[in-house]
Amino acid sequence: GAGVSQSPSNKVTEKGKDVELRCDPISGHTALYWYRQSLGQGLEFLIYFQGNSAPDKSGLPSDRFSAERTGGSVSTLTIQRTQQEDSAVYLCASSLGREGYTFGSGTRLTVV
Amino acid sequence: EDQVTQSPEALRLQEGESSSLNCSYTVSGLRGLFWYRQDPGKGPEFLFTLYSAGEEKEKERLKATLTKKESFLHITAPKPEDSATYLCAVQPLTSGGYNKLIFGAGTRLAVHP
Repeated sequence: GAGVSQSPSNKVTEKGKDVELRCDPISGHTALYWYRQSLGQGLEFLIYFQGNSAPDKSGLPSDRFSAERTGGSVSTLTIQRTQQEDSAVYLCASSLGREGYTFGSGTRLTVV
Repeated sequence: EDQVTQSPEALRLQEGESSSLNCSYTVSGLRGLFWYRQDPGKGPEFLFTLYSAGEEKEKERLKATLTKKESFLHITAPKPEDSATYLCAVQPLTSGGYNKLIFGAGTRLAVHP
């Protein structure tokens, strides 16, 4: 597509439930990144994909967080047993090489 | 530890009142410094990449400059549509050759008519 698409745009979930966030990057972009943005905080790196593999998953906060990418395209970030501190905007970005990322509009996750 | 600090946290300007935003960084070797603009409810939008001290880039009313310790985003004669949060990010040399960025918390700019 023309841009990075994320769904859903908003998600409200109950504490303890699992959620899946989806990212559809720009066609042909081999690199895909997930970041988290909490109120008043900078963007926090979560995980990086090159193709379908994840050479750097050092930013995942706990083992409740996981992500996969299939076909070198769509990626899914899964949060199991959600906690209130997981509430944030989850941003996906893609890039080709070392130029600036193109970000999606994000998924605003609220855990109640 | 690699770190990015942006100041001020918030800035209010009158239309036409020029100013500068600061991005100070501590990084174990700099591969690149990036500026983004973020509007409410949207993802950050890429503005500039700077790679070496002394480099400058311009786009409309914005000019970004880079030294060995900090970067400035100069806004000349701003308009209300320049109101947004401006994010600075660095790419360390230790990022393994890919584009992992470390972001500052941003500066919220409000330009009033």
